[in-house]
Amino acid sequence: NAGVTQTPKFQVLKTGQSMTLQCAQDMNHEYMSWYRQDPGMGLRLIHYSVGAGITDQGEVPNGYNVSRSTTEDFPLRLLSAAPSQTSVYFCASSYSWEFSGNTIYFGEGSWLTVV
Amino acid sequence: AQTVTQSQPEMSVQEAETVTLSCTYDTSESDYYLFWYKQPPSRQMILVIRQEAYKQQNATENRFSVNFQKAAKSFSLKISDSQLGDAAMYFCAYKFYNNDMRFGAGTRLTVKP
Repeated sequence: NAGVTQTPKFQVLKTGQSMTLQCAQDMNHEYMSWYRQDPGMGLRLIHYSVGAGITDQGEVPNGYNVSRSTTEDFPLRLLSAAPSQTSVYFCASSYSWEFSGNTIYFGEGSWLTVV
Repeated sequence: AQTVTQSQPEMSVQEAETVTLSCTYDTSESDYYLFWYKQPPSRQMILVIRQEAYKQQNATENRFSVNFQKAAKSFSLKISDSQLGDAAMYFCAYKFYNNDMRFGAGTRLTVKP
C-alpha cells in the first residue's frame, strides 16, 4: 500500500519558471489537499478537493493552480515561480470530505527552492 | 479567525520522564476536531492522537494522552515515559467543517538520554 506519493522530492527552480508537483493516492480517498510548510510555521492549506472535478482555495492559494481529473491524482502547478514560494510542500488525503475525525494521510513532502 | 497557538517553541525532557506540550486555539464553533501530529527530521507527518470536541473524555494512545479543556480552548499533549524516538517537532491542529486544518507553529521536543 503506497499511501500518498509525491514527486519530485527535491526541485530547484529559477524565478519565473513553471512546474507541477505531482500527488497520487491509492486509497480511493475523496478528499485531497496541498499544504506548504515554511520555517517556524505550521502547515498552511493552499488548495483542496472534495472529489474529482471539484477544487477550492485554502488559506494561501495565490500563485498556485490545481485540478482533479481523477480520484487518485491531485497535481499542484506553480504558474510563475517566485522566491517566496520556496517551501516544503505536503500533499494529503482522507477518506471522506464529510466533517469527521477521519485520519488525514500526508505524503513525505517535496522540497522546492526558487532562486 | 480560527488560530492555533503553541507557546513553547522548544521543550526538553529526560528519557523516561514525562513532558507536557501546550496548545490553545480560538474558535467560535462548537463542533470540531483537534489533533497532535509528530514530524521527525524526515519531515513525514505522523498522527499522534485526535480528540472530538463533543467528547468530554480525554483521548489516550499508549504513552500519549491529552488534557482537553473545551471552555478554556486548551489542548495539551502529555508524553509519559519519554523515549529517544519521541524527539521531533510536534504540531497541534484544529480541523474545520470542510476538512481544512489550521496548524500551530510547532514545538521542538528534545529527549536527553
